[in-house]
Amino acid sequence: AQTVTQSQPEMSVQEAETVTLSCTYDTSESDYYLFWYKQPPSRQMILVIRQEAYKQQNATENRFSVNFQKAAKSFSLKISDSQLGDAAMYFCATLNSNYQLIWGAGTKLIIKP
Amino acid sequence: GAVVSQHPSWVICKSGTSVKIECRSLDFQATTMFWYRQFPKQSLMLMATSNEGSKATYEQGVEKDKFLINHASLTLSTLTVTSAHPEDSSFYICSASFWGGSNYGYTFGSGTRLTVV
Repeated sequence: AQTVTQSQPEMSVQEAETVTLSCTYDTSESDYYLFWYKQPPSRQMILVIRQEAYKQQNATENRFSVNFQKAAKSFSLKISDSQLGDAAMYFCATLNSNYQLIWGAGTKLIIKP
Repeated sequence: GAVVSQHPSWVICKSGTSVKIECRSLDFQATTMFWYRQFPKQSLMLMATSNEGSKATYEQGVEKDKFLINHASLTLSTLTVTSAHPEDSSFYICSASFWGGSNYGYTFGSGTRLTVV
């Protein structure tokens, strides 16, 4: 069964600085997908970035990028130039064989002004 | 694109009554929809997966007679909490998957905060 582990319950970063959120996963699938979702105080789940496991190139979306280490089963999220609007819960997820999302416990990101 | 609308945003109901939550895909056809429950400061807990025209598949421990899911069309799925009790108070979120070549993922409704008094 797939599992996703986020070992940092809470992280804080100074505005404009860079922060990295950790995520490790375990899967028996040979081809799989990985996601980072953001849940701000409004509780709306927002896709931040996604990665196909077969792609070696790390995905990037503006200030957000991932460090995908397939052999280590690691999928960390780097946020550059942190902004106050980045404050949220961040969830890492992968898919199981039924195409259901398997979620990590989440990391609360605090932005210090 | 791939927008899901969820209503109501919040609802208060009396113990013993039933509440229906709607989830609509606005600009795509949602073959598969998911219903989650989220407790404060916790991750999303999958309750059930619904496929259009089929019976929903419930996760272990989820009472299918209490949480009725209907996915009668490609754009609408509903969750009905029957005979609600205070312990059913929670935040419920629907989601739909979309797969269109390079554009794929899972989009979420804005959630429904249910309070049973």
